[in-house]
Amino acid sequence: DAGITQSPRHKVTETGTPVTLRCHQTENHRYMYWYRQDPGHGLRLIHYSYGVKDTDKGEVSDGYSVSRSKTEDFLLTLESATSSQTSVYFCAINGQKSTDTQYFGPGTRLTVL
Amino acid sequence: GEDVEQSLFLSVREGDSSVINCTYTDSSSTYLYWYKQEPGAGLQLLTYIFSNMDMKQDQRLTVLLNKKDKHLSLRIADTQTGDSAIYFCAESGPNNTDKLIFGTGTRLQVFP
Repeated sequence: DAGITQSPRHKVTETGTPVTLRCHQTENHRYMYWYRQDPGHGLRLIHYSYGVKDTDKGEVSDGYSVSRSKTEDFLLTLESATSSQTSVYFCAINGQKSTDTQYFGPGTRLTVL
Repeated sequence: GEDVEQSLFLSVREGDSSVINCTYTDSSSTYLYWYKQEPGAGLQLLTYIFSNMDMKQDQRLTVLLNKKDKHLSLRIADTQTGDSAIYFCAESGPNNTDKLIFGTGTRLQVFP
């Protein structure tokens, strides 16, 4: 298994509070991604990073921000959580070789009350 | 725009073959993937195919790609109860580091 961990694995929070999810990799891969998974939508890309301090928006980036200060960590922040952000969040990594593909972390289940 | 479609459910008897279908819209997709998600777990990469191929076989798994119709399928031979999961197809752009566009997932249920 690719060395990807996510923390926390589960979180319950209240509307309006800030939340930060962490993705940590030990593979030294350049590319990292944050997705959310919701019933009927599959996985949708929130933000991604193509290197330290290099990030870009995905399909559903509103209400989310990210930071990547070092290769191994990619943080996803909800500045003011809303109930519509209740979801399961997955981090993924990818290398640069043509044979590399995306590998996923175990997920974080976030509930916003 | 990009869109990937899958049927939501598939139910098969143990020992039979399963065929999960997917259609995509982005003709520039170079890589097409199949992921498996078991309950409460993350996504596990099963297999992938380059767009210049029309078939790939890996043990019990066979991937067929019809690029003209933008149709991708995953066949699982001798389906087992352990194959029960949600299966996602995904497409990427010209580079394998491009973001993935996922289908909604097909829930495969295998009954004895």
